[in-house]
Amino acid sequence: GAVVSQHPSRVICKSGTSVKIECRSLDFQATTMFWYRQFPKQSLMLMATSNEGSKATYEQGVEKDKFLINHASLTLSTLTVTSAHPEDSSFYICSARGGAAEQFFGPGTRLTVL
Amino acid sequence: EDQVTQSPEALRLQEGESSSLNCSYTVSGLRGLFWYRQDPGKGPEFLFTLYSAGEEKEKERLKATLTKKESFLHITAPKPEDSATYLCAVRSTGGGNKLTFGTGTQLKVEL
Repeated sequence: GAVVSQHPSRVICKSGTSVKIECRSLDFQATTMFWYRQFPKQSLMLMATSNEGSKATYEQGVEKDKFLINHASLTLSTLTVTSAHPEDSSFYICSARGGAAEQFFGPGTRLTVL
Repeated sequence: EDQVTQSPEALRLQEGESSSLNCSYTVSGLRGLFWYRQDPGKGPEFLFTLYSAGEEKEKERLKATLTKKESFLHITAPKPEDSATYLCAVRSTGGGNKLTFGTGTQLKVEL
């Protein structure tokens, strides 16, 4: 299957700082990328969808000024959590889809805000 | 609105004890039903895509089937390494590019 990488895998930051998470499709061109959030023992919650070169579409209830998404190329998307607070601590997972129906997920980033 | 319900929430099997996981769905028009496996602290790993009723796909000890209302993931003679959370998701004509996920079945296979 196709490979999606995420960096970093874990990050710990102080409250009020910003954190950037990178998502790369390594062996295919991702026309669409997705960002999810997952709380312990819960399923994935879609935060936003982005197409290369376009503004991201955010799900209801997700603050677009807090979670900045950039999809600058067909292989790279970034999620920046601005002014992070403890309640933003979570497991963030990106996903990418090329021309086929299948959607492939990255390994996830564990964010802890102190 | 698309809905996906998975059952059971948790399942404990002995090694070699075959069973099935259920995924019931309600969509406006199905464009694909997807099965993923997720290990703790990892992202979901793609397993199967099913498109139409009657379709079946197999991979090692796993076999996925699809009807107009539900999908089953059959696990034959499971091994401890099959322990994981299995997620079902749908993409529909009304949902655009989005996948709607169920809450998953947590499978534990014991020796």
